Amino acid sequence: EAQVTQNPRYLITVTGKKLTVTCSQNMNHEYMSWYRQDPGLGLRQIYYSMNVEVTDKGDVPEGYKVSRKEKRNFPLILESPSPNQTSLYFCASSPGTGPNQPQHFGDGTRLSIL
Amino acid sequence: GESVGLHLPTLSVQEGDNSIINCAYSNSASDYFIWYKQESGKGPQFIIDIRSNMDKRQGQRVTVLLNKTVKHLSLQIAATQPGDSAVYFCAVGGSYIPTFGRGTSLIVHP
Repeated sequence: EAQVTQNPRYLITVTGKKLTVTCSQNMNHEYMSWYRQDPGLGLRQIYYSMNVEVTDKGDVPEGYKVSRKEKRNFPLILESPSPNQTSLYFCASSPGTGPNQPQHFGDGTRLSIL
Repeated sequence: GESVGLHLPTLSVQEGDNSIINCAYSNSASDYFIWYKQESGKGPQFIIDIRSNMDKRQGQRVTVLLNKTVKHLSLQIAATQPGDSAVYFCAVGGSYIPTFGRGTSLIVHP
């Protein structure tokens, strides 16, 4: 089954404790991206990747890092999480090197930073 | 940059009615438009898309209309069913960073 898998689905942690949210897709898609979703706001893109070893900032990259060492994986790293990063996070992938194709989304990771 | 707005945060309809959800965008150079459905506890799911060289596209029970003159996009759902209850939002492309609207919550009453 074609899917984007995120882990963990839920995480409560404390300020400053480094964490990684993993994302994996099995569709051989080139384009992958991370979004955060906050109440009253639309999805906002954090980082995107057009292919292996190619990543770039989205609209809200501050406080986040990503890597794309393999085509299928695109982890999101919070080196020193802060409470304003409490949010619902989605990973997505699509064929081609841009977002102008339907994106396939994971089911989300709810992060709470205390 | 691009901004995307929706006219109604909530839309309530009766089962069997047609639903219309609207979206407005600001950048006339935008050339790709897409509608997603998000059910509670899940990620957004693709419904239908349209490119700027078209003004209408139909899928199964859904139609997207694009009016480039007034920079307006709408999603029409025919014979709305309880399973259509979800948040619907549009996304506008044209660069590497898509812009998403805030979403309309569609509530379908049996």
